[in-house]
Amino acid sequence: QTVVTQEPSFSVSPGGTVTLTCGLNSGSVSTNYFPSWYQQTPGQAPRTLIYNTNTRSSGVPDRFSGSILGNKAALTITGAQADDESDYYCVLYMGSAIWVFGGGTKLTVL
Amino acid sequence: EVQLVESGGGLVQSGGSLRLSCAASGFTFSDYWMHWVRQAPGKGLVWVSRIDGGGSSTTYADSVKGRFSITRDNAKNMLYLQVNSLRAEDTAIYYCARTNTGGYFAYWGQGTLVTVSS
Repeated sequence: QTVVTQEPSFSVSPGGTVTLTCGLNSGSVSTNYFPSWYQQTPGQAPRTLIYNTNTRSSGVPDRFSGSILGNKAALTITGAQADDESDYYCVLYMGSAIWVFGGGTKLTVL
Repeated sequence: EVQLVESGGGLVQSGGSLRLSCAASGFTFSDYWMHWVRQAPGKGLVWVSRIDGGGSSTTYADSVKGRFSITRDNAKNMLYLQVNSLRAEDTAIYYCARTNTGGYFAYWGQGTLVTVSS
């Protein structure tokens, strides 16, 4: 069974930089999985941040960036702000019209 | 403006059924794959199902295969999810979402809550 792994939680200081990752329980994440990233605050629907590994969705500040780091997809927030405190989810396209979400990372800014 | 509005959630007994609906507007509905994604209380997002633009091709997560059925009515710009044989673990907010070329979830509805009581 395919499991997409994310750090359960992460903490960053205001103005700091944090990198969240998205991996696979077996194998490496590459651009062929078309990784995308979503931000969700409590009680709200998810918001699209990054798609196709590193393309920012419309209106997303450039402090959010996506990449492949080693064998994982990565979301980097540079100059973290208080309102970046959210849950972050990655999703990988597994082929054959199947997608798998990671378990999410709860980001605290303090 | 793209809008996705879900409805049809509610409280249902274990073993029961519901039909969830998603009304789409602001785009040519038949041009896009549509999905259902769910989120159990306090838990993460889980992809549930996808249907192609014409409605002829569907895929499902293993956890719902054989119990859930995704359909669409392009004349009415409506997406549906028939959920049968409901279990306590199906309790979740169910989101309707549209993917864009490249397979990413570009638009999301606000969700509809399904609560399964035992």
